[in-house]
Amino acid sequence: AQSVTQLGSHVSVSEGALVLLRCNYSSSVPPYLFWYVQYPNQGLQLLLKYTSAATLVKGINGFEAEFKKSETSFHLTKPSAHMSDAAEYFCAVSGYGQNFVFGPGTRLSVLP
Amino acid sequence: NAGVTQTPKFRILKIGQSMTLQCTQDMNHNYMYWYRQDPGMGLKLIYYSVGAGITDKGEVPNGYNVSRSTTEDFPLRLELAAPSQTSVYFCASAEDRQRQFFGPGTRLTVL
Repeated sequence: AQSVTQLGSHVSVSEGALVLLRCNYSSSVPPYLFWYVQYPNQGLQLLLKYTSAATLVKGINGFEAEFKKSETSFHLTKPSAHMSDAAEYFCAVSGYGQNFVFGPGTRLSVLP
Repeated sequence: NAGVTQTPKFRILKIGQSMTLQCTQDMNHNYMYWYRQDPGMGLKLIYYSVGAGITDKGEVPNGYNVSRSTTEDFPLRLELAAPSQTSVYFCASAEDRQRQFFGPGTRLTVL
């Protein structure tokens, strides 16, 4: 069975500071891993995905994530937060022949 | 391309009423999904489909039904609405298991 945990339901950073959102997963098969972003009253949009190519994945809006198999982690980072990054972020996992499983989400607040 | 569209955007139901949430995609995707999103709980899979005529239960299917008569449409049916079904419902589609495209959601309240 697959599962996803996201440490911290709410993270606050100052504008210009490093953003680090944590994701750990469990999967019995080699996983595909995803980060999605959800702005208020909207659906989810894909930020980036890992599908067994490069372990460091670059996404949209300056975000990137690194797949670490030994730590079963896929943390999301951005060097410098912008006010427009304030949103809910979801980590998800999918394996061969298996459906997507989402984490509970982390709400990111960016303080001026 | 409109992508994934959902109707209605908002709905208030009384306990025991029925309704259908509509979902349509114009990307010719085989995979389609219905999720519900409760505050602080992430997304839970209700039903999914891997192609026209094929549907299967997800994690929380009780109280819901689906059908998939065409590639484009994947309606979700609530037969006897209960307060526990108050949630935001998202439909998604995918070409394969590497990326999902989400609709804008339907906010449902059952009173």
